[in-house]
Order: sequence, then structure tokens, then C-alpha cells
Amino acid sequence: QVQLQQWGAGLLKPSETLSLTCAVYGGSFSGYYWSWIRQPPGKGLEWIGEINHSGSTNYNPSLKSRVTISVDTSKNQFSLKLNSVTAADTAVYYCARGGPTMIRGVIRGAPGYYYYYMDVWGKGTTVTVSS
Amino acid sequence: EIVLTQSPGTLSLSPGERATLSCRASQSISSSYLAWYQQRPGQAPRLLIYGASSRATGIPDRFSGSGSGTDFTLTISRLEPEDFAVYYCQQYGSSPLYTFGQGTKLEIK
Repeated sequence: QVQLQQWGAGLLKPSETLSLTCAVYGGSFSGYYWSWIRQPPGKGLEWIGEINHSGSTNYNPSLKSRVTISVDTSKNQFSLKLNSVTAADTAVYYCARGGPTMIRGVIRGAPGYYYYYMDVWGKGTTVTVSS
Repeated sequence: EIVLTQSPGTLSLSPGERATLSCRASQSISSSYLAWYQQRPGQAPRLLIYGASSRATGIPDRFSGSGSGTDFTLTISRLEPEDFAVYYCQQYGSSPLYTFGQGTKLEIK
């Protein structure tokens, strides 16, 4: 079955760039959307953004100016960069698989598409921003 | 932006009891766009329900989802010890694409 393994630096200083990578094992990479989600300590979930295999991205407007999500299809990996971090970016960061980009000829947003969720998640990486 | 409000914030019940968790959207959404997740301490979220009422693969049938428009419900028919966790609803929208409710903590009474 599909597994996501994620890694990256866990301790950053303010103004540095957060960099995380997520590798996909055991399933198709090219046919899905791939997301990053974060969770500050003791708080809820915040979607950061997504990418598909062709590199098409969608970002949360609240983070868009600082976020870049990229893909390396040769390695079945996707990555997150968040620049100019502050203490408010301290969180557990998760990678996750979204729905298929197309299924039975139906694309997301079209009638008959039902895959508006994230069904496979990485274990999470704790990132702390502190001077 | 569509805001999801979950209630109650904390629900205290005993094993064997029935749990009813609510998720209210700030505007009407398609049932197809509504999902529920369970998160146990120290673990990643786990998909339970998608399309408001369809159980994800491997999810026990004591979990069920219902609702439409702005009001959605997750019901756990008979609580097992492993069900005590935090539950989030999630919707797919325009901007941002995905938003989550603030969560309901289901604790042992």
C-alpha cells in the first residue's frame, strides 16, 4: 500500500527557510494531488498547499507569499519550502495524498468526482522556530 | 472562505455510548466536499468519512456520517476505547481549497 516518508530540518531560527521533502512509496505518484498540512502545538489543522505530477500548484492564500511546493517525478517526491519563518510557523508538518487528478475521465470539480479528501498521510515532522 | 464550526468542543462519554459530533459550514456546500478525520495523540489524522456519508477503506461500520447543506454529523454508534480522540471535519472549497473545523475532543467520562 502507499506510504509517505517525510523528512527535513526540525529546528530553525527566525527568518530562515523551512524545507521538507515527502517521498511516495508503493503506489502511483503521477495520478494524484499531493498536499502539505500543518498543525501548531495543541491546535487544529491548516492546509498549506498542493501539487500534482505536472507541477501545477494551489496554495492557501494566507501563506502563498512565502510558500513554494515543488515536485520531482523521477524520485516520486514532493517538497515544501516556507521562507522567512517566525515562531508562528512552529508546528507539526504533514504530507498527504489527495484525490486522483482524473478518474474514469472525470476531473476534480466535475460532476461524478468524489475524491475531495486526503487519504494517506505521512507521520509528520515537528518544526520548531526559535532564536 | 467557508468556515467550519464543530460542536461541542469537548464531548465526555463512556465506552459503549453513542457519540454525535456536529460540523456546521458558514455557507452551503456539496455533500461530496465534506470529510471527517480522527486524530489520536501523537498520530497523523486518519480519514474516516468522505462525501459526507461514505466510509473510508477499513473504517468500522460503527462510524457513520450524514448531513447536507450546512449541517453535517459524525455518529459513532457504540464507543470503543480506541475511539477516544480528536475529530475534524474538512471541506473542499475555492480559496483555500481545503479548510478544517477546529476539532471536537472525544474524551472518556
